[in-house]
Amino acid sequence: SQQGEEDPQALSIQEGENATMNCSYKTSINNLQWYRQNSGRGLVHLILIRSNEREKHSGRLRVTLDTSKKSSSLLITASRAADTASYFCAGNNNNDMRFGAGTRLTVKP
Amino acid sequence: KAGVTQTPRYLIKTRGQQVTLSCSPISGHRSVSWYQQTPGQGLQFLFEYFSETQRNKGNFPGRFSGRQFSNSRSEMNVSTLELGDSALYLCASSLGVNTEAFFGQGTRLTVV
Repeated sequence: SQQGEEDPQALSIQEGENATMNCSYKTSINNLQWYRQNSGRGLVHLILIRSNEREKHSGRLRVTLDTSKKSSSLLITASRAADTASYFCAGNNNNDMRFGAGTRLTVKP
Repeated sequence: KAGVTQTPRYLIKTRGQQVTLSCSPISGHRSVSWYQQTPGQGLQFLFEYFSETQRNKGNFPGRFSGRQFSNSRSEMNVSTLELGDSALYLCASSLGVNTEAFFGQGTRLTVV
């Protein structure tokens, strides 16, 4: 079964705007990882945040983790048309990784 | 460094047949995990192998099995194929436990 849910399911924004996606998970985790997927291809690893971390940055990405609420958010700043993709979070418990349903992000030029 | 390689990329099989998919992890990675992705069920965890041992398993019937070789390469087998097994099968490798998992491009299986 899937680990949790992403919110929103779909998001459409203009280039240059920020995009925020949320995900929730159900069980305890060692870390949470975010991925991007373009049109049914493989998943590209974006960022890993450990359970004892609250926030992490990588380039235009900012991830937060709230283990008390079992939730995480991914912020993409200054979005580009090339950011159009589906984004997934996965809670990882000793390499047992469970994915959410994903957020479909569309960035309009 | 080469990424995760999955073969074949595309496969068409008939109901009742069996299929074997292959995954070569990133050099030095000891863990290989398999996932099934369908439009209806999303990304579902199949199983994970670490140093040739299955450590984790998802909720799939026994028709789905796998193995890992001493060089960390892994194979996944599906027997008695059903139409519902049509999916994108993804493999991921990671260096150890609770490290970043990197995915291959997947094998698109179509069962007719």
